[in-house]
Amino acid sequence: QVQLVQSGAEVKKPGASVKVSCKASGYTFTSYDINWVRQATGQGLEWMGWMNPNSGNTGYAQKFQGRVTMTRNTSISTAYMELSGLRSEDTAVYYCARGIAAAGLYYFDYWGQGTLVTVSS
Amino acid sequence: QLVLTQSPSASASLGASVKITCTLSSGHSSYAIAWHQQQPEKGPRYLMKLNSDGSHSKGDGIPDRFSGSSSGAERYLTISSLQSEDEADYYCQTWGTSVVFGGGTKLTVL
Repeated sequence: QVQLVQSGAEVKKPGASVKVSCKASGYTFTSYDINWVRQATGQGLEWMGWMNPNSGNTGYAQKFQGRVTMTRNTSISTAYMELSGLRSEDTAVYYCARGIAAAGLYYFDYWGQGTLVTVSS
Repeated sequence: QLVLTQSPSASASLGASVKITCTLSSGHSSYAIAWHQQQPEKGPRYLMKLNSDGSHSKGDGIPDRFSGSSSGAERYLTISSLQSEDEADYYCQTWGTSVVFGGGTKLTVL
């Protein structure tokens, strides 16, 4: 079965960077995009960007351009999301999700369990 | 601009049915959407893809109690025979030039 398993919780100081991993199993890793979505406490879902694990191509939401980098290691079927210049407003749960395009819609059919990133001095 | 609008909350009794609405912004009434469920303290779970004609395809293991329908710019998620575990936040999602989420609807099962 398809699974996306994320790395554990992180605590970072303002200005630092964080790198979250997402290990895929149960399907061919290079056949589907990996997206990253975050959720602050009590808030809704916020899309950060996508990565094509086959080509390494990426697309980032405008809000995160210049601060986020999405990469992968195909040999271990793992995607990474690195966010730099952390501030308190970046405290959130970060999710990876498998992206699929079908009949005019791009959507997420599997999600990781989430990684809590806390930014605090 | 592509926007998805959801009512913040909904409620229904155990065993009853509830219909949750997601409204597409003007000019986007032909767009398909996806519905996702987020139970308390859990990550989201994909429920279904819903087309403008009301046809839908559900994710793995999603019970028959969950169904979708469409009318104009509105996309609906109907949950029948409500169970306590259906108490959750429900998000609609689509794609324009980027991914768009609705604000979410918190469903309370009474």
